[in-house]
Amino acid sequence: QKEVEQDPGPLSVPEGAIVSLNCTYSNSAFQYFMWYRQYSRKGPELLMYTYSSGNKEDGRFTAQVDKSSKYISLFIRDSQPSDSATYLCAMSPTGANSKLTFGKGITLSVRP
Amino acid sequence: KAGVTQTPRYLIKTRGQQVTLSCSPISGHRSVSWYQQTPGQGLQFLFEYFSETQRNKGNFPGRFSGRQFSNSRSEMNVSTLELGDSALYLCASSMDSPTGELFFGEGSRLTVL
Repeated sequence: QKEVEQDPGPLSVPEGAIVSLNCTYSNSAFQYFMWYRQYSRKGPELLMYTYSSGNKEDGRFTAQVDKSSKYISLFIRDSQPSDSATYLCAMSPTGANSKLTFGKGITLSVRP
Repeated sequence: KAGVTQTPRYLIKTRGQQVTLSCSPISGHRSVSWYQQTPGQGLQFLFEYFSETQRNKGNFPGRFSGRQFSNSRSEMNVSTLELGDSALYLCASSMDSPTGELFFGEGSRLTVL
């Protein structure tokens, strides 16, 4: 079993839809939980960061962490064609920038 | 503010050769990490350097090595290349704080023939 599992996708939704992306993990030592977005031929960029359990909202994006279930989610409201990208979850026991373990990523396409 | 710069962006090598990739971090960032991205395995951590010292290492064979210079620039080297080393190699830099954001470069795409 991989440490971090992410739905493989791909995922295609119409513009304006609510998107839910999820990851599960097995390592209970993970304390830092991140979502990255990667556009084609670019490096990943940090979208959201959460420490331990809880919710965090930033504009149209909401990140949730449930450590009891070892489950994290990213919600995108009012999705836009510009949200079309690969989304990767990442986790670490020691820091938001240290020895990250990534999910394999899911490619999202938002249709106009 | 300039981002993380990686060179070369693309390169082709043959099996058995070695390769060196270079990374210039964001000014002021002293922590540099390297990741390998492949379609099969996704993004995997290679190693992390801080102040010229390797601070963390992932589960890669000894053919993969790296170093960091006093100006925080970093290089990674892969010796005796194998077909499976074909990947996008990403460098990332950050401030030295557990909550500091990791900034990635655009990567060096290595093809091994």
